[in-house]
Amino acid sequence: QQQVKQSPQSLIVQKGGISIINCAYENTAFDYFPWYQQFPGKGPALLIAIRPDVSEKKEGRFTISFNKSAKQFSLHIMDSQPGDSATYFCAARVYNNNDMRFGAGTRLTVKP
Amino acid sequence: GAGVSQSPRYKVAKRGQDVALRCDPISGHVSLFWYQQALGQGPEFLTYFQNEAQLDKSGLPSDRFFAERPEGSVSTLKIQRTQQEDSAVYLCASSLRLNMNTEAFFGQGTRLTVV
Repeated sequence: QQQVKQSPQSLIVQKGGISIINCAYENTAFDYFPWYQQFPGKGPALLIAIRPDVSEKKEGRFTISFNKSAKQFSLHIMDSQPGDSATYFCAARVYNNNDMRFGAGTRLTVKP
Repeated sequence: GAGVSQSPRYKVAKRGQDVALRCDPISGHVSLFWYQQALGQGPEFLTYFQNEAQLDKSGLPSDRFFAERPEGSVSTLKIQRTQQEDSAVYLCASSLRLNMNTEAFFGQGTRLTVV
């Protein structure tokens, strides 16, 4: 049962461009929304996270935009670099719950 | 250790064989999680430990899957009578405090292939 839907499946961006990955969720009980970055052969690593009391969170080149009414959130990577090439997962869970629901992932390729 | 360590990195099992996957969490981390990641998919929750207590095993797909953490540190995920559909990467994660209210650190995973 996929509770978090992620798009696109893959994304190719030129160096310096903006990468945008979108996620939508169904369960209104979710109140913690992290993004993970995964390089080949490695485990996912937390990139940035947001709670629904704010509509945007920015950390360096990475920004989460959150739309509670639409039950959607997105990751924006500004000035994308070849080193950003990885698979990105959005996720959601109820804050005090252990069952983190992940999206299917987006494979990002940043061309030099 | 510096991070979450999982072993083996790769495991090939014949259908019907039992396998055991090991996770060494970051020292002092209270919470430990197991996830299953099928090819091209996001990780899916299997089970959660708080110290040695298995508080949530709702994600285990069948009674062939069993996990333990007897001394509150190292954990083992055991799969009995493996089936082809068990082929996946099994990820372990640990976090300093209860649940995932602090950042959870993932290991590199064990890639299980059942032939």
